[in-house]
Amino acid sequence: QVQLQESGPGLVKPSQTLSLACNVSGASVRDSPDYYWSWIRQPPGEGLVWIGYIYYRGSTYYNPSLKGRLSISVDTSKNQFSLDLTSVTAADTAVYYCARIRRWERRFDSWGQGALVTVSS
Amino acid sequence: QSALTQPASVSGSPGQSITISCTGTSSDIGTYDYVSWYQQHPGKVPKLVIFDVSNRPSGVSNRFSGSKSGDTASLTISGLQAEDEADYYCSSYTSGSTYVFGTGTKVTVL
Repeated sequence: QVQLQESGPGLVKPSQTLSLACNVSGASVRDSPDYYWSWIRQPPGEGLVWIGYIYYRGSTYYNPSLKGRLSISVDTSKNQFSLDLTSVTAADTAVYYCARIRRWERRFDSWGQGALVTVSS
Repeated sequence: QSALTQPASVSGSPGQSITISCTGTSSDIGTYDYVSWYQQHPGKVPKLVIFDVSNRPSGVSNRFSGSKSGDTASLTISGLQAEDEADYYCSSYTSGSTYVFGTGTKVTVL
């Protein structure tokens, strides 16, 4: 049974970089050709927004609206993947979820508990 | 990349059936049978209830069913129960190898 857990600062100042990690247990990020590893966010009181995903070989796909500020990477030594979002503003305040995508069915089948990140000075 | 369009709210009485629509474009729902639906109770993690348009994961009630016609997908909840009161989001794979979620629908059980 795979489990995902987000970690990182809960408060980030405007213009700085938001960095989160997703620790994966019960599955290997490096040895999982059948899965993608994804980030999703949900601003307070709003809907889900897909951020991006990474494949174990390193290829990445990003939400066009965030491209240019976004980077998703994999740390195989720690069995985790990470999110870096630069030049943040209050609009980036959200609960950030990491999730696993089943490659062939294109579904988000496992989610982390979510991490609230507030952008404020 | 615009969000898929869902009605803001849908309501029904216990035992009734309701249907939530999810409208996309030819770049997502219209081309791919990779539509999934997620149920989210307040303060909780989204839960997958339908994938690949009409398939139910193990453990999900057969009261949940999905379909698709053209650029629009639909989720039907039959025999509505109090526990079904939640927010529901559709999602689709897109031609850019990306994903998009719907705007979300609040289901109220009267």
